Formats: sequence, C-alpha cells, structure tokens
Amino acid sequence: GDSVTQMEGPVTLSEEAFLTINCTYTATGYPSLFWYVQYPGEGLQLLLKATKADDKGSNKGFEATYRKETTSFHLEKGSVQVSDSAVYFCALSDYLSGGGADGLTFGKGTHLIIQP
Amino acid sequence: EAGVTQFPSHSVIEKGQTVTLRCDPISGHDNLYWYRRVMGKEIKFLLHFVKESKQDESGMPNNRFLAERTGGTYSTLKVQPAELEDSGVYFCASSPHGGARTEAFFGQGTRLTVV
Repeated sequence: GDSVTQMEGPVTLSEEAFLTINCTYTATGYPSLFWYVQYPGEGLQLLLKATKADDKGSNKGFEATYRKETTSFHLEKGSVQVSDSAVYFCALSDYLSGGGADGLTFGKGTHLIIQP
Repeated sequence: EAGVTQFPSHSVIEKGQTVTLRCDPISGHDNLYWYRRVMGKEIKFLLHFVKESKQDESGMPNNRFLAERTGGTYSTLKVQPAELEDSGVYFCASSPHGGARTEAFFGQGTRLTVV
C-alpha cells in the first residue's frame, strides 16, 4: 500500500537557519504530493502541493520539488522564522484511488522548533 | 467564510461510554472526510462522504465506529462503546470537488481521551 516516511524530530533550529525536512513516499499510482502544516492550537493547513513529476510547490518561502526518480518531496526554506514553529506533515493522494482527498496518506509529522 | 468546525474540541470519557463527535464542513462542500491520529502515529484516513453517501469507509477500524451525514450537511462520528485505544485526535476535512489534486480543508480536530 501507499506510505509516506518523514523525519520525526523534533527539529530545533535557530532563526534564519536553512531548513530541510525530508519526505519519501511509496505509491501504487501516480500521486499528488502535499505538505500540510499545523500551527499550535489550529487545524491542518495546506502549505504547498505538486501534482506531477518535477513540479515545484511553493508558499510562504517554503519550497518542495516532486522528484519521481527518488520518490521524494523534501521541504526547504532558506531562512526560518520563529513563526514557522509548527508540525509539518508530508502527504500523498494516489491518483488511481480517485474520489478526491479520500485516502490521503500522511507521514508521522515533524515538529519544528525555531529559537530566536 | 467559516472554515471547518469540529465539536467538542476535547472529550474525556470512561471506557465503555459513548461519545459523538461532530463536524460542520465549509458550506457547499460536498466531500467530507474523517481522519484520526493516534499518539505517535500517522494521521489515518477513516472515511469519505460525498453529500450524504459513504464513498469510502475502508479506514473505519471496527463496528464500534458509526459515521453519519444526514442531509449532506454536518457529520457525526459516534464511538460506542469506547475503548482505550480509541484515544487520539479526530480530524474532519472537506473539499468542494473530488479528484486527487483537490485541496482538503481541515478542522482543528477533537482530542478524545478514553480512561
């Protein structure tokens, strides 16, 4: 079945540091890939997505590139801020499963802590 | 525009009791999903409604869980009787359309603790 593997953390960085959160996946079809973020006390929010190979999703200074050859979708940001402290979830939706976001497959989440 | 709302935000119940969680999707969203995150594990898909019909309930753990969406508006997820392993955070999400590329909008979740 489908699966997503991501570094669990917590990951602790200083403000303005470079961030990489690794995410790799296995899927039976041709999935769409997502990064969701959960800020303290809030629900999950879509951060960015990519729907085909070599697409780059970007939002709020974060980027991730859909790498089909390495089945990866690593999240990066050049200079993190304290406000980026949150839990980040990598997820996929398998195109063959159809029906919308049903069967969204998530990783375990990475708790990111940014210190001033 | 109101987002996805879930009630209650927290619930603590004793083993063997019944609990009902509620989700109000974004108005006009036909697709509604339930997910669960058990501590330390992945967020797992439970089921998917399209309007009032269950499109996919393959993730429901067992027959102690019953989800309904009467009239295609809000949804309820009832756990009866609750067991200790049911503890976790239950998320609801909605989306206007189907398709693997469609963004799902999530609620804040209900934290359920069974003691």
